[in-house]
Amino acid sequence: QQQVKQSPQSLIVQKGGISIINCAYENTAFDYFPWYQQFPGKGPALLIAIRPDVSEKKEGRFTISFNKSAKQFSLHIMDSQPGDSATYFCAALNVGLSFGAGTTVTVRA
Amino acid sequence: SQTIHQWPATLVQPVGSPLSLECTVEGTSNPNLYWYRQAAGRGLQLLFYSVGIGQISSEVPQNLSASRPQDRQFILSSKKLLLSDSGFYLCAWRLKGGDEQYFGPGTRLTVT
Repeated sequence: QQQVKQSPQSLIVQKGGISIINCAYENTAFDYFPWYQQFPGKGPALLIAIRPDVSEKKEGRFTISFNKSAKQFSLHIMDSQPGDSATYFCAALNVGLSFGAGTTVTVRA
Repeated sequence: SQTIHQWPATLVQPVGSPLSLECTVEGTSNPNLYWYRQAAGRGLQLLFYSVGIGQISSEVPQNLSASRPQDRQFILSSKKLLLSDSGFYLCAWRLKGGDEQYFGPGTRLTVT
């Protein structure tokens, strides 16, 4: 049973466009919500993270929006670049991390 | 700075053979350590975590076991591999009291 649901499974965006990935969770014990970026054959790299007492966090072109009442959070990638083409995972922390199924982002030049 | 190592990077093993994957962390003491498995095209599933030497907690019943013989060493083992054990195995560490969890480069295991 997946505790974090992620959508879409994949998306294609033009260079300079905005990529949006959504996640939802049920367990209110989760208290930390990171996003990871993974390139083929590599381990996931921590991209950005948020705590539930904050509604938005921005780091460069990456922004997390968090809606505690709806138990949803999302990643926005602004001005998408070809180098952003990767698989992105949302996650939620209790003891260990519970991961979403991943979103493969393809940025077309 | 902290560094996490995993080896081997890739492994092909026959069904029924034993397994030993190793993970070591440098540059920190007494970290929490984790083993995850990633099936092809899927998210990561937490298998084991450890808060200290000899302390192992299992998240899912399976054909695998874990051990932590030293503070910064975490080992994933199996006595007899199954086809379903194939996957990408990732070790991760986290400072006690911290939230950020950092992953190693992973081991690609193929059971034939």
